[in-house]
Amino acid sequence: DAKTTQPTSMDCAEGRAANLPCNHSTISGNEYVYWYRQIHSQGPQYIIHGLKNNETNEMASLIITEDRKSSTLILPHATLRDTAVYYCIAFPSNNAGNMLTFGGGTRLMVKP
Amino acid sequence: NAGVTQTPKFQVLKTGQSMTLQCAQDMNHNSMYWYRQDPGMGLRLIYYSASEGTTDKGEVPNGYNVSRLNKREFSLRLESAAPSQTSVYFCASIRTGSNEQFFGPGTRLTVL
Repeated sequence: DAKTTQPTSMDCAEGRAANLPCNHSTISGNEYVYWYRQIHSQGPQYIIHGLKNNETNEMASLIITEDRKSSTLILPHATLRDTAVYYCIAFPSNNAGNMLTFGGGTRLMVKP
Repeated sequence: NAGVTQTPKFQVLKTGQSMTLQCAQDMNHNSMYWYRQDPGMGLRLIYYSASEGTTDKGEVPNGYNVSRLNKREFSLRLESAAPSQTSVYFCASIRTGSNEQFFGPGTRLTVL
């Protein structure tokens, strides 16, 4: 699985967009980009994933660069409840027992 | 539909004691996983089960054993607990055909 690199921490003002970057320069053609988040003391929560096209759901948008070497998770209107650690993972499309590897993630602090 | 459930929520053990952490999912998922998370760290995979009747080691399997009792249940056993196993343990399952992992609420284990 491709290694991902994320900033250790970020701040965002409540109500503003939070843009969380992720580098995955060694990503291979069959690997998707997945984003999870972990709110304090809870189990991680799936947010969104994509291969090469931009994706949007009720929680967030995912922008993947054309060369697929980096991506950005966008929370359009951050709230205090979005304070969490956000994990970016590059992972192949099949799930035949493959392991998700969670790195350190980005600790997002949303401030009033 | 309860999702992924874990018992117990909290546990304190003395060094050398044994215990089994229970995990069950009611989503008919094939693959199940056990992770540990130490304070301020990302998740590390202990063991996983790609399907009923199969188990494989993850990144940090030493000191643990697992049993995939049936499709619903995946248990983690500590035969002789050590202080280094003090951690939060998360169980997860994957929806077939996807890499969207669903996590349980975690078990907070302290070994004295």
